[in-house]
Amino acid sequence: KAGVTQTPRYLIKTRGQQVTLSCSPISGHRSVSWYQQTPGQGLQFLFEYFSETQRNKGNFPGRFSGRQFSNSRSEMNVSTLELGDSALYLCASTPRQGAYQETQYFGPGTRLLVL
Amino acid sequence: TQLLEQSPQFLSIQEGENLTVYCNSSSVFSSLQWYRQEPGEGPVLLVTVVTGGEVKKLKRLTFQFGDARKDSSLHITAAQPGDTGLYLCAAHYGNNRLAFGKGNQVVVIP
Repeated sequence: KAGVTQTPRYLIKTRGQQVTLSCSPISGHRSVSWYQQTPGQGLQFLFEYFSETQRNKGNFPGRFSGRQFSNSRSEMNVSTLELGDSALYLCASTPRQGAYQETQYFGPGTRLLVL
Repeated sequence: TQLLEQSPQFLSIQEGENLTVYCNSSSVFSSLQWYRQEPGEGPVLLVTVVTGGEVKKLKRLTFQFGDARKDSSLHITAAQPGDTGLYLCAAHYGNNRLAFGKGNQVVVIP
């Protein structure tokens, strides 16, 4: 099976712009979670989608949003970019929604740099 | 406030040496996971520990879950350069969210 894929891998934007990141989960996986990773804060949970519905949301401002399509692919959008949004954005997929002890399969991430 | 505290943040050792890193919390967890992340890649799950006092071994890596299920340790025996990476502990909390520590950056020098 192909792993989790994320596009693009690298992105440079300027403050005030918006960005859309894409994640394709492992075939058959229906849950997609997004995380932001920075050196200062580590990995922080953004949101989880299952069956095209947001099931969980972390403590991020409304500028961060996402969606999931019927084929389980997911996108996240960040509007009005700030310098502090520079980070590695990771998505992870699991077969089911929010199952304890279940393995999350991570993609390689999208490295976003905001200038 | 970080739910999971990992120490040390950074550790550099010579090939063949042993090392131990820690993951601590004031909260009790039903399970705890350890991941390893290499540069340019996402984290990869190494192990899930469930029972207090549980010890799991993965080749030269030994994982222990504290008796009170608040902490965990990872011990690497005879470290190899391939063990270099960021080791992350993670635990589920409230409403099925997964919280991560900031990680233990391990560098094994050949």
